[in-house]
Amino acid sequence: GAVVSQHPSRVICKSGTSVKIECRSLDFQATTMFWYRQFPKQSLMLMATSNEGSKATYEQGVEKDKFLINHASLTLSTLTVTSAHPEDSSFYICSASPGTSGRHEQFFGPGTRLTVL
Amino acid sequence: KQEVTQIPAALSVPEGENLVLNCSFTDSAIYNLQWFRQDPGKGLTSLLLIQSSQREQTSGRLNASLDKSSGRSTLYIAASQPGDSATYLCAVLRNQAGTALIFGKGTTLSVSS
Repeated sequence: GAVVSQHPSRVICKSGTSVKIECRSLDFQATTMFWYRQFPKQSLMLMATSNEGSKATYEQGVEKDKFLINHASLTLSTLTVTSAHPEDSSFYICSASPGTSGRHEQFFGPGTRLTVL
Repeated sequence: KQEVTQIPAALSVPEGENLVLNCSFTDSAIYNLQWFRQDPGKGLTSLLLIQSSQREQTSGRLNASLDKSSGRSTLYIAASQPGDSATYLCAVLRNQAGTALIFGKGTTLSVSS
C-alpha cells in the first residue's frame, strides 16, 4: 500500500513554544491530506482538511490561528501548533489518499506524540 | 451528522477463539468503510476496505462484512492469536474523495495465550 510518513515521531516542548509536524506522502501525490488528533483511549477526531495550494478547512471548534496548516506541495502538509500549552498534548496523525484507483483508501502516518510541559 | 459506534468497547478472549467486532453507522450514504488496527502509541494500519457496493472483503484470517442499508459492518477474526491484541477501529468515508473518515471509538482486543 501507499506510504505516509510523519516527522517528528515524538516531541517534548515548553509551554509557549511552537511545534511543526510534517506529513509526507512518499510514493504518491495527494491534493488533500487530513489531520486528526487522538487523546488517550479516545478515537481519532478530525481537526482539518489540508488542501494543496489553498487554505485548510477546519472542523468546528478547532482554532485555525493556533493550528496552522500549510500544504505547499502534492506530497507535503505541515501542522504547526503555535504557542503550545499542556492541553495541546496529544497524538497527532495525518492521512492521505492516492485517489487514483477509485477506492479512495486512506493511509495514515505513524503519528506524532506531542508533550507540552 | 454521521456517527459511528463500535461494540464492544473491550473484549478479552483466549487464544484460538473466533470473534466478531461490530460497527454501526447512522447515515447509510457512505462511499466506503475501512477497518484499522492500532497498537498502543502507534499509528493506524489499514486492514480491510469495503466499497459501498460490496458485501464483504477477506484478508487472511480477517473477514469484514458490510450491510449498508442497515448501517452495520462486522469484522470477523478467525483463530485469534496473542499478536492480534490491539485496538480495532472502524471508519466510514462520508461521500467521496476529498472528505475525511469518521471513526468509531474502537474495540480493544486482548487475546491471552
